[in-house]
Amino acid sequence: GAGVSQSPRYKVAKRGQDVALRCDPISGHVSLFWYQQALGQGPEFLTYFQNEAQLDKSGLPSDRFFAERPEGSVSTLKIQRTQQEDSAVYLCASSLGAFLNTEAFFGQGTRLTVV
Amino acid sequence: DQQVKQNSPSLSVQEGRISILNCDYTNSMFDYFLWYKKYPAEGPTFLISISSIKDKNEDGRFTVFLNKSAKHLSLHIVPSQPGDSAVYFCAARPAGFQKLVFGTGTRLLVSP
Repeated sequence: GAGVSQSPRYKVAKRGQDVALRCDPISGHVSLFWYQQALGQGPEFLTYFQNEAQLDKSGLPSDRFFAERPEGSVSTLKIQRTQQEDSAVYLCASSLGAFLNTEAFFGQGTRLTVV
Repeated sequence: DQQVKQNSPSLSVQEGRISILNCDYTNSMFDYFLWYKKYPAEGPTFLISISSIKDKNEDGRFTVFLNKSAKHLSLHIVPSQPGDSAVYFCAARPAGFQKLVFGTGTRLLVSP
């Protein structure tokens, strides 16, 4: 596709349920990022991949959050035992280079609501 | 601890006038700054960037100014158009890291 694609667009989860959010980056893009955007806030960094290597996971808020990119393209963000504070828009971004001196292209996001 | 601050949650401007969006930061280790524009139900879209070694970068109607001594960044849009109405995020990259720290955004409304 032409841009970064995320699925599902909307997800409602019951508290305690596990969820998996998918990101299809732009083909050939080396870098992939996940961000969490709470209502009324700016995006907050979660994790960064360079190809299949997860080089920075310092933003993951707890060990309930796990991300992978096993073949260096599609990435999945998994949240176990969801809690209400996990409700947010989860944004995926990709960039062509290994270094963020070129702009990152964002997907439309997945809006997660935990009830 | 908000390292990147956009203190104006909203700004209203008339079409044809200048829009000035401001951003302040506290971390002197930021080496790259970006502005993103976001429409409802869409992801942020890159607008313009500036390296910390420069003080100005211009792209068409958009100019970003960086004042390192004041730790202040601004985006000028001239002339403003109704299609510019969106939320604008300032973002900064800490040197040596491949991540961005975002501000909370400023909602710009350009009225005809």
